[in-house]
This record gives sequence, structure tokens and C-alpha cells, in this order.
Amino acid sequence: GQQVMQIPQYQHVQEGEDFTTYCNSSTTLSNIQWYKQRPGGHPVFLIQLVKSGEVKKQKRLTFQFGEAKKNSSLHITATQTTDVGTYFCAGPPVRGSTLGRLYFGRGTQLTVWP
Amino acid sequence: EAEVAQSPRYKITEKSQAVAFWCDPISGHATLYWYRQILGQGPELLVQFQDESVVDDSQLPKDRFSAERLKGVDSTLKIQPAELGDSAMYLCASRFGGSYEQYFGPGTRLTVT
Repeated sequence: GQQVMQIPQYQHVQEGEDFTTYCNSSTTLSNIQWYKQRPGGHPVFLIQLVKSGEVKKQKRLTFQFGEAKKNSSLHITATQTTDVGTYFCAGPPVRGSTLGRLYFGRGTQLTVWP
Repeated sequence: EAEVAQSPRYKITEKSQAVAFWCDPISGHATLYWYRQILGQGPELLVQFQDESVVDDSQLPKDRFSAERLKGVDSTLKIQPAELGDSAMYLCASRFGGSYEQYFGPGTRLTVT
């Protein structure tokens, strides 16, 4: 079945360090979405990438979608304590998905200490 | 800003009891999702509605779970009887037809004792 894997599961960084999380799908995705879940909160949409090789930036966050549309990454430059949370990637597979059903990875839990 | 509403926020129940969760999506969002999120994992889809119709319930344990969205607006997810393994966060999300973005509610944290 469809699987979306994320590594690492946990990442602890000092404020100001960079952070990267990687996402890999077992099948080709129509698009990739990234969500952030703060401790005790709910997932909040960050961004969507649709095109092969697409790169998007949001301030200190850089998102990439792989050429084969099976992998993605999120890079945060100079982390801040406000970046704390769990980052999930999610996507609907090109085939076998009902109306854009999302398959979520397990997430990468980011801890930032001052 | 419009939000997805869910209630209750927390629920503690004994195993074999029945529980129900309610979700009110953002107005105008035709697609509604119920997810289950176990601690340390990503959300897993239980059921997806398009208006009042179920379009995907392949991961819904139908022997004990049921979901409805009678008028195509708010929705109820029921578990009967609850089992210890049902302890999790139950998230509702909605989506506007022309967009991929899903908006999540605050969730209901269920503890089964």
C-alpha cells in the first residue's frame, strides 16, 4: 500500500542552526503538502508543491519537490524557538487515491533550545 | 478567520461504552475528513465526505465506527463499543472544492480506560 516516510523522526537543534526534514513516498504523488503541528495543537497547512523539481520559499523555509515526484524536503535556515513543532509531509498518489486523499508521513518533531 | 469547530475537546470513557464526536466545517467546504492521530504518528484518514456522501471509508473499522453528514454540513463520528486501542486524537478537516489545502479543527482527544 501507499507509504510516506519521513526522516529524521526527531531533531534537536540550537537556535540559529539549520534544520532539514526529508520525505519519501513509495509511489508517485500528484502533489506534496507540508503541515506544521505545534505541541498540543492541530496540523496547519504550510505549502503545496505540484510540479516536478519545484522549489518554493517562505521566509526562512525552503521546500523542494523531487524530479520524480516521490520525495520532498523542508529546510529551515537559522531556526528560531517559534519553529518548534512537528512537520508533516502529505500527498495524494497519482494512482489509486480517492479524490485527493492525503497520506501523511509520521512527521519530524523539531525541538529548538535557546 | 473561519475555523473548523469540534466538540468535545477531551473525552474519557470506559471500554465498551459509546462515544460521539461532532465537527462543523468551514462554511462552504464541501469536503470533510475524519482522521485519527495516534501519539507520535501522522494523521490517518478514517472517512471522507463529499457533501453528504461517503467517498472513502476504506480505513474505517465499520464494526464499531460510524460516520454521518446528513445535510452535507456538520458531521458526527461514533464509536460503539470503544476499545482501549481507540485512545487517540480524532481530527476533523475540511477543504474547499477548488483548493488542495485542508483546514483542521482542534481535535477531540479520546482516552479509553
